[in-house]
Amino acid sequence: AQKVTQAQTEISVVEKEDVTLDCVYETRDTTYYLFWYKQPPSGELVFLIRRNSFDEQNEISGRYSWNFQKSTSSFNFTITASQVVDSAVYFCALSTNSGYALNFGKGTSLLVTP
Amino acid sequence: DGGITQSPKYLFRKEGQNVTLSCEQNLNHDAMYWYRQDPGQGLRLIYYSQIVNDFQKGDIAEGYSVSREKKESFPLTVTSAQKNPTAFYLCASSIEGPLSGANVLTFGAGSRLTVL
Repeated sequence: AQKVTQAQTEISVVEKEDVTLDCVYETRDTTYYLFWYKQPPSGELVFLIRRNSFDEQNEISGRYSWNFQKSTSSFNFTITASQVVDSAVYFCALSTNSGYALNFGKGTSLLVTP
Repeated sequence: DGGITQSPKYLFRKEGQNVTLSCEQNLNHDAMYWYRQDPGQGLRLIYYSQIVNDFQKGDIAEGYSVSREKKESFPLTVTSAQKNPTAFYLCASSIEGPLSGANVLTFGAGSRLTVL
């Protein structure tokens, strides 16, 4: 069975604070892929990053960074110096090559206030 | 620009009526998907299609039907058998089907259905 848990339902921060969104996953497959998507108020999900299970290198893209740790089955997402435009719902997702579509977590709603 | 177009954006329906949500893509993607989003529930898969004239049930297919007569189009019908149809519906597509777990999904802007 595959499962993605995003324990943080809602997070509120003040602009310029750093914030980390947690994601814990479960799968028995040795090959799998992890994703983060952003859903702004407009509703359309936007792809942010994909990681495969063999690549534990952390990644940084501007103010965004991702920490993938297989030992703890986590794929956490950090926003540095948050901005109001970062306000959105963020989804972590998991897929394998077993022929089924993406399995999403329940999402974390991030509110960044000025 | 390539993308996915969903229509209508907002839809109201009376109980007992069927309603069809449109999803069109011009990305030349083989696979298409329908997800349902409820507050606090994340996204749940309703149906997906890997190629034309083929589709598979997802986790919550009961009360829904789909067709895939053209590569570009994957309409979803919410039937009167769906007990709680009020939700936000998202259509997505990917280059390959779910057998490739590395697929990145491209999403439409969604359709919000409200049953009165």
